[in-house]
Amino acid sequence: AQRVTQPEKLLSVFKGAPVELKCNYSYSGSPELFWYVQYSRQRLQLLLRHISRESIKGFTADLNKGETSFHLKKPFAQEEDSAMYYCALSNAGGTSYGKLTFGQGTILTVHP
Amino acid sequence: EAGVAQSPRYKIIEKRQSVAFWCNPISGHATLYWYQQILGQGPKLLIQFQNNGVVDDSQLPKDRFSAERLKGVDSTLKIQPAKLEDSAVYLCASRQKRDSYEQYFGPGTRLTVT
Repeated sequence: AQRVTQPEKLLSVFKGAPVELKCNYSYSGSPELFWYVQYSRQRLQLLLRHISRESIKGFTADLNKGETSFHLKKPFAQEEDSAMYYCALSNAGGTSYGKLTFGQGTILTVHP
Repeated sequence: EAGVAQSPRYKIIEKRQSVAFWCNPISGHATLYWYQQILGQGPKLLIQFQNNGVVDDSQLPKDRFSAERLKGVDSTLKIQPAKLEDSAVYLCASRQKRDSYEQYFGPGTRLTVT
């Protein structure tokens, strides 16, 4: 069974400090990993995808298959980064392609 | 383009009553998902449609939950009868086609069962 674990429910940092949101997964095949974000009073939306290897809003995430991790990082946090962040895993094939398994979420608060 | 629409946004019912939620996906999106998000948890997939066919309903409590997607566009999710533990936000999401990856979420319906 696939599982996503985000060990921190809450994470607080000050503006300008580095931030790392942890995500670990278990999956028997080759997973696709995503980070979704929900800002206050907004919809859940895709932040980034591991395959694209992009930096979005200064955030990056590297898939480490050996440690089964997909941590989200940003070197200098901004107040507008305050939000709920979800790590999610998708099965890459089969009839349920695209089915997402979400972690419990981490609330990031960036203080001024 | 217009986003995924859901209604109602909020619903309060008593246990053992029935309730229905409606979702209108982004135009042209073939895949539609219903998720249940209990407070403090991440969204959990209930059912996945590809056009008007069910692809995955393995986590749908079929004794009380039902869903349909007539004509492969709008979808309704029904709970009958509701239990206290059904209190949650019900999210609808859609995806354009099989080889696209991004899911677009609606605003959700917050259900409170008293």
